[in-house]
Amino acid sequence: DVVLTQSPLSLPVSLGQPASISCRSSRSLLYTDGNTYLNWFQQRPGQPPRRLIYEVSKRDSGVPDRFSGSGSGTDFTLEISRVEADDIAVYYCMQGSYWPPATFGQGTKLEIK
Amino acid sequence: EIQLLQSGGGIIQPGGSLRLSCVVSGLTFNRYGMSWVRQAPGKGLEWVSGINDDGDKTYYADSVKGRFYISRDDSESTLYLQMNSLRVEDTAVYYCARGGTGASSYWGQGTRVIVSS
Repeated sequence: DVVLTQSPLSLPVSLGQPASISCRSSRSLLYTDGNTYLNWFQQRPGQPPRRLIYEVSKRDSGVPDRFSGSGSGTDFTLEISRVEADDIAVYYCMQGSYWPPATFGQGTKLEIK
Repeated sequence: EIQLLQSGGGIIQPGGSLRLSCVVSGLTFNRYGMSWVRQAPGKGLEWVSGINDDGDKTYYADSVKGRFYISRDDSESTLYLQMNSLRVEDTAVYYCARGGTGASSYWGQGTRVIVSS
């Protein structure tokens, strides 16, 4: 199984400041079709997960451009350029390149400092 | 508008069975694989099971293999998860999602399953 390791697990950030979350995979997520199926989800308390980013860097419809994804192979990053109060949530990376099983990172809790 | 409406959760004793349902509207259901993802209390997300668009290929996490069964009824645009031999550690909120891996913008609202004596 592909293991995804996120860091940090807790991220205190001041409003208006940038934030960055790392996701490292136990194997390259580059699939044989040339795509890399690495996704980022946001989960607010009591709500289902919401996909923000798919295929490493493609933003879902309605996602603010403050959110961006980057990376390749085994190393990926979610960046928030300027944190807003609405961004308080747990963020998960998730891979669909080599499944079953699809796997998630442990989650990173974004908190306001 | 695409909606995934879940039902079927509840409190069940260890060893019991439960069936979850997920009714999908706003899209052509039989064009998409579907999946179930769960979240134990205070924990992260765990992919549980997936099914392809034709319904002839099913996939399971090792933790539920042989106990849980995913199926679909395209005539009713409904996804199911039959859960047998339930264990305390199956206690979680269960989500259905479009796509076999759950890597989708479309998720159900979640349904809570509590396995307790």
